[in-house]
Amino acid sequence: DAGITQSPRYKITETGRQVTLMCHQTWSHSYMFWYRQDLGHGLRLIYYSAAADITDKGEVPDGYVVSRSKTENFPLTLESATRSQTSVYFCASKRRGSQETQYFGPGTRLLVL
Amino acid sequence: RKEVEQDPGPFNVPEGATVAFNCTYSNSASQSFFWYRQDCRKEPKLLMSVYSSGNEDGRFTAQLNRASQYISLLIRDSKLSDSATYLCVATPGGGADGLTFGKGTHLIIQP
Repeated sequence: DAGITQSPRYKITETGRQVTLMCHQTWSHSYMFWYRQDLGHGLRLIYYSAAADITDKGEVPDGYVVSRSKTENFPLTLESATRSQTSVYFCASKRRGSQETQYFGPGTRLLVL
Repeated sequence: RKEVEQDPGPFNVPEGATVAFNCTYSNSASQSFFWYRQDCRKEPKLLMSVYSSGNEDGRFTAQLNRASQYISLLIRDSKLSDSATYLCVATPGGGADGLTFGKGTHLIIQP
């Protein structure tokens, strides 16, 4: 059971480059989420998706784009990376239902130079 | 104002002791509450859900006080392996909402 995976696990890029972080889950969960985690801020929601082709903004969406053409994939794109987007990015997924657990992927550590 | 607030610690506690954390949430519409555990440089993992009536899972007890809008976690007979960051979570519920995390409380269990 592969669960939820993220790629790449580590990425170094330069300011202004486009970067796409991949997230894939094998559970057919309806909901998927992207968070970023920074010292002093904790985990913050970037975007989420309730189903294929349905996405919505979270707390910190600026500078990011998402898509969800298939239930199992939820890529996050930084269209023009900035140093402030240096962070650890976690993808998560869950079934329908407010008490359902969110399962997190292992994270992608992104450094923007 | 941050919606979920926690004391960041660190809490340095001797092995075998009992330790308690609280967190407060500001959104009165919050419906679902959780404690997550995060080990250094790893992903958060669900420790336990928090129910209005309180709930227990082995050495861990979670309580919810809706009137005062706080959530607590009690760890009894602490183990070295309990050293981690504990994240308090509140969400309005409704299914698709992302989780609102506190910044976490860092716990260090000392031998």
